[in-house]
Amino acid sequence: DAGVTQSPTHLIKTRGQQVTLRCSPKSGHDTVSWYQQALGQGPQFIFQYYEEEERQRGNFPDRFSGHQFPNYSSELNVNALLLGDSALYLCASSLDGQDYGYTFGSGTRLTVV
Amino acid sequence: DQQVKQNSPSLSVQEGRISILNCDYTNSMFDYFLWYKKYPAEGPTFLISISSIKDKNEDGRFTVFLNKSAKHLSLHIVPSQPGDSAVYFCAASVNNNNDMRFGAGTRLTVKP
Repeated sequence: DAGVTQSPTHLIKTRGQQVTLRCSPKSGHDTVSWYQQALGQGPQFIFQYYEEEERQRGNFPDRFSGHQFPNYSSELNVNALLLGDSALYLCASSLDGQDYGYTFGSGTRLTVV
Repeated sequence: DQQVKQNSPSLSVQEGRISILNCDYTNSMFDYFLWYKKYPAEGPTFLISISSIKDKNEDGRFTVFLNKSAKHLSLHIVPSQPGDSAVYFCAASVNNNNDMRFGAGTRLTVKP
């Protein structure tokens, strides 16, 4: 049973560029949440997707956007990259209506230079 | 804003002893609390949770205690095992809100 898979595992981008990160949720899960984890800090909630719509959003600028596909997979897009966007981006999946216990992927390490 | 704080970045205990990880929060509206464990190169793994209507929840070697008046929760691991060595994150939410707030984590090392 595959858990949450994220791609790519690492990437390096230049300031001002755009990036797309991908996530496939755990089998049976229909909800995807994205988190940003800066070095030495805990994960910070970016947004959550359910039924192909953004259901909730954390305190992140509009440069951060996302999408959920009919197969429940999701993308995180970041435009106009800043050096401060360098972080580990975690995707977590869950089944709507169930208790917490999100399943996290191992993340994508983004470095902006 | 640091609404959830884990003031100890690291903790080292001997195998077989008790590990106590602490977490403080500032938002009195938080009503659901969770602990996650994270190994290197892996995503966080859900460990145990507690609702604000309880003050204790136990699952095997893991027990979470909640003190609402002090806005404090703790995770007890008894007995500690070397495989418990990981980073532990405390998280909190309001009304099952999906915007979980995480602490910065505590790195636990259990020595054989």
